[in-house]
Amino acid sequence: ETGVTQTPRHLVMGMTNKKSLKCEQHLGHNAMYWYKQSAKKPLELMFVYNFKEQTENNSVPSRFSPECPNSSHLFLHLHTLQPEDSALYLCASSQVGPGGDYGYTFGSGTRLTVV
Amino acid sequence: GENVEQHPSTLSVQEGDSAVIKCTYSDSASNYFPWYKQELGKRPQLIIDIRSNVGEKKDQRIAVTLNKTAKHFSLHITETQPEDSAVYFCAVSNQAGTALIFGKGTTLSVSS
Repeated sequence: ETGVTQTPRHLVMGMTNKKSLKCEQHLGHNAMYWYKQSAKKPLELMFVYNFKEQTENNSVPSRFSPECPNSSHLFLHLHTLQPEDSALYLCASSQVGPGGDYGYTFGSGTRLTVV
Repeated sequence: GENVEQHPSTLSVQEGDSAVIKCTYSDSASNYFPWYKQELGKRPQLIIDIRSNVGEKKDQRIAVTLNKTAKHFSLHITETQPEDSAVYFCAVSNQAGTALIFGKGTTLSVSS
């Protein structure tokens, strides 16, 4: 497996459910990101992790909880979501810092529907 | 924070014509400017990028120009083909240099 892998590809959940999205990168990158893509706000930055440390939380509601156990894995834990949270959630990775080119590689995304 | 404006939101051209998409940004400290192409149902993919120490970069039919003084950069696609039809996003590195802020996208349609 190469590149950035996201699972599941599709997820339907009720507003009282708890679920997690998973992202894994096989590129040796040192930074990982979560973006939300919807018709209203394409590619909206949610969270940034550099060297496993969260460096940015872009005013995301607490019902979204990220976790980065190591530089290759990123999770997004979901609980008590709202219908307006339905969107495509994209994970990306990049190599930042000296020698890094900063270019993102995106995963295929998780299409989330909240009912 | 960084603000990125992208125009136009939709663009329709005939096959063989050129297409130009423009983005403006607010933070003069930004130094990395990539362009991504997203085909329907697929992930965004990097097609070209430019850094602040370069004014223009070309890769076959695709080119990007940067005007740091005016804080805008543009994507140029020449000899467009139907397979160029997609949504194109510009992006700018944020103030901390830790992430990319994206424009709202341009839907390009190339008709044959």
